[in-house]
Amino acid sequence: SQTIHQWPATLVQPVGSPLSLECTVEGTSNPNLYWYRQAAGRGLQLLFYSVGIGQISSEVPQNLSASRPQDRQFILSSKKLLLSDSGFYLCAWSVSQGASYGYTFGSGTRLTVV
Amino acid sequence: AQSVTQLDSHVSVSEGTPVLLRCNYSSSYSPSLFWYVQHPNKGLQLLLKYTSAATLVKGINGFEAEFKKSETSFHLTKPSAHMSDAAEYFCVVRVYTGRRALTFGSGTRLQVQP
Repeated sequence: SQTIHQWPATLVQPVGSPLSLECTVEGTSNPNLYWYRQAAGRGLQLLFYSVGIGQISSEVPQNLSASRPQDRQFILSSKKLLLSDSGFYLCAWSVSQGASYGYTFGSGTRLTVV
Repeated sequence: AQSVTQLDSHVSVSEGTPVLLRCNYSSSYSPSLFWYVQHPNKGLQLLLKYTSAATLVKGINGFEAEFKKSETSFHLTKPSAHMSDAAEYFCVVRVYTGRRALTFGSGTRLQVQP
């Protein structure tokens, strides 16, 4: 069966520090991968998506970047965190082809920038 | 362009009474629609999805939703609320582009009173 792992679950980082959040998927190949962010009191916003290794598309200009070094690994990074980067970050995957419309989300990382 | 509007940011019901969470969507194409639930400090879980089959969709935990094209609505209902239903609920429309990403509503927080 397919599973998605995301870590860490919670993170408190000072302003200006770097960030690395990792997401891995098991049990499938060539998935579409996504990073979403939920700011306090707001819905989820798509940050990045990837349809293959090394292929990253950004949805919104921001202080963050994403990388996909392996087929089932998706990393969210920042060189210098801002206070506005605080939020709940979710990784998700979906099949890249076929009739399935299912999206599976990780358990999320709650990031607090202080 | 696609968008989704959740009409209530907060809904409070008594245990054992019906639940109604309202959602209206806007889409240039026939949409795929989803309801996700997020319990505190946990990731998103798919409740149900509509993908142009039956207009009345049954999901997990006794929830169901009816797709009404004439009203562009996809309201989520449950006949009898349980305490464990207290969570945040997101109505989601699938964007029909190559990236197969999702557009989320701003969420409805459901409170269940004993």
